[in-house]
Amino acid sequence: DTGVSQDPRHKITKRGQNVTFRCDPISEHNRLYWYRQTLGQGPEFLTYFQNEAQLEKSRLLSDRFSAERPKGSFSTLEIQRTEQGDSAMYLCASSFWRDGYQETQYFGPGTRLLVL
Amino acid sequence: GNSVTQMEGPVTLSEEAFLTINCTYTATGYPSLFWYVQYPGEGLQLLLKATKADDKGSNKGFEATYRKETTSFHLEKGSVQVSDSAVYFCALSDAGANNLFFGTGTRLTVIP
Repeated sequence: DTGVSQDPRHKITKRGQNVTFRCDPISEHNRLYWYRQTLGQGPEFLTYFQNEAQLEKSRLLSDRFSAERPKGSFSTLEIQRTEQGDSAMYLCASSFWRDGYQETQYFGPGTRLLVL
Repeated sequence: GNSVTQMEGPVTLSEEAFLTINCTYTATGYPSLFWYVQYPGEGLQLLLKATKADDKGSNKGFEATYRKETTSFHLEKGSVQVSDSAVYFCALSDAGANNLFFGTGTRLTVIP
């Protein structure tokens, strides 16, 4: 399978705990995106990387959220001190960008987070 | 700013009925427009796209035409099947923003 993969698929945690999600993009894609989807809503953009550089992070929901893509391949999204309002589906997508032209974003299956 | 307004659901249709899901947008510049579909238990999949005015995207019998004058990108299918039951999301990508802006989604249920 050469699609976008995410791990874990489901995470249940207690309020105040830290959680980390992983995303493995399609191998030749240089851009990687994180979105959040709450029940009954469309995905909401959080941040994105081009290779290892994080080019947009102002849409991260608070300073409890952080993301990394240290080697320009997989990425991690961390939520510190989780709150019940963080319960949502966290989606990763990847695409190929070159010379101002961006191809289609392909999405992973998501990580569903439940904060108790 | 960028936003997408999508017809609210849920929508329930009988098999072989005609489908329209309305989508209008607000954007700076000249966005690309997309329809994504989410089947039960699966991730978002690109259904079709259009990158400039008057382009028609099509796939699996679905069509949508990029109408700049009405800022719309309505999804249509002439004869739906039970297997089309899913949630459909309209989205735009502004060249300056790079990320996707999504509508709230429309749940379609097709009954035999």
